[in-house]
Amino acid sequence: DVKVTQSSRYLVKRTGEKVFLECVQDMDHENMFWYRQDPGLGLRLIYFSYDVKMKEKGDIPEGYSVSREKKERFSLILESASTNQTSMYLCASSFRVGNSPLHFGNGTRLTVT
Amino acid sequence: GDSVTQMEGPVTLSEEAFLTINCTYTATGYPSLFWYVQYPGEGLQLLLKATKADDKGSNKGFEATYRKETTSFHLEKGSVQVSDSAVYFCALSDQGGSYIPTFGRGTSLIVHP
Repeated sequence: DVKVTQSSRYLVKRTGEKVFLECVQDMDHENMFWYRQDPGLGLRLIYFSYDVKMKEKGDIPEGYSVSREKKERFSLILESASTNQTSMYLCASSFRVGNSPLHFGNGTRLTVT
Repeated sequence: GDSVTQMEGPVTLSEEAFLTINCTYTATGYPSLFWYVQYPGEGLQLLLKATKADDKGSNKGFEATYRKETTSFHLEKGSVQVSDSAVYFCALSDQGGSYIPTFGRGTSLIVHP
């Protein structure tokens, strides 16, 4: 079974801190994604990556950056956390074919105070 | 661009009732269609998928048929259980495009004993 592991279930950070959210997948998937999930807004794509060192902006990249140095690991970085980045963050991975489903981690609930 | 529209929730049902969650889509190419389920406190997981017109995806008693003529992929279950309480997401992935999935906003299902 594919496993996507997010390093933290819950995080509490202060405004202005630099925050790292880590995600690791064990199925040699080419694609990796970061979403945020907010009530009433569904899933919104922040960034995705289709290969090592490659990244593409999603719908809401402002205030975020990403890093993919190895195929299995995709990191989301909040350079200077703000309270409006309090959210549930979901990492996902997939093979790079159109009918390949996404495999999700269990999410990181980030609170910025 | 591509889009997915789901009925708004919450949908509240009694145990053993019939479930329908509507999903319609617009796509420029020929998409694959998916239903994902998110149980409380977890990430999304694939429930079922269909990759071409008239295909029926099924899993755990849930079914959905890919209807190209009506651009729909409605989720149905004949007899829901309390354990089916979750949020359900319809999604599409354009096989001829960038393989970035497009999600609906999710529909919350609450099943009472």
